[in-house]
Amino acid sequence: DQQVKQNSPSLSVQEGRISILNCDYTNSMFDYFLWYKKYPAEGPTFLISISSIKDKNEDGRFTVFLNKSAKHLSLHIVPSQPGDSAVYFCAASDRGGSQGNLIFGKGTKLSVKP
Amino acid sequence: KAGVTQTPRYLIKTRGQQVTLSCSPISGHRSVSWYQQTPGQGLQFLFEYFSETQRNKGNFPGRFSGRQFSNSRSEMNVSTLELGDSALYLCATARDLNYEQYFGPGTRLTVT
Repeated sequence: DQQVKQNSPSLSVQEGRISILNCDYTNSMFDYFLWYKKYPAEGPTFLISISSIKDKNEDGRFTVFLNKSAKHLSLHIVPSQPGDSAVYFCAASDRGGSQGNLIFGKGTKLSVKP
Repeated sequence: KAGVTQTPRYLIKTRGQQVTLSCSPISGHRSVSWYQQTPGQGLQFLFEYFSETQRNKGNFPGRFSGRQFSNSRSEMNVSTLELGDSALYLCATARDLNYEQYFGPGTRLTVT
């Protein structure tokens, strides 16, 4: 039973446009959410996180939105750049920010075309 | 500063053998977590160590075990290897329990 779901295995976007990656979760006990980016042959790299007490968090070109009632979060990348092409993982924790035990989605492969 | 180091990077083993993977955290990091990544199941949590104590364990059989040393380095061991254990094993370390995790490049284990 997948507690964190990324229903789009892939997404293709034109350079300069907005990329929107979506993630749904089922466990209402999750209180901390993170996005990671992964290039081939490398480990995941932390991008941005959000606590369940917030509904939005921004960091440069990256913004994460959280809709607790819908158990849905999304990552917006604006503007998208070719270097953003990677696999993006959504992850969740039920331990108030203690990130040792993360539940990951299966990832969305983003391709940004020049 | 140096990142998370995992050794070896690649490993080929035969069914029934056992294997030990190593993770050296970033200097000053005391928390170490291990994850298994497979195409079918994605990234799955194995266990987490902090101050040489296992704090949490994922839903894996007892053939998977780990430990953490006083210098925060961690090892994980898989005994009686099965074909399904073929995966990328990732280690992630953090300064403390509520801090951001940094992942290593992983160890690619192939079981034949």
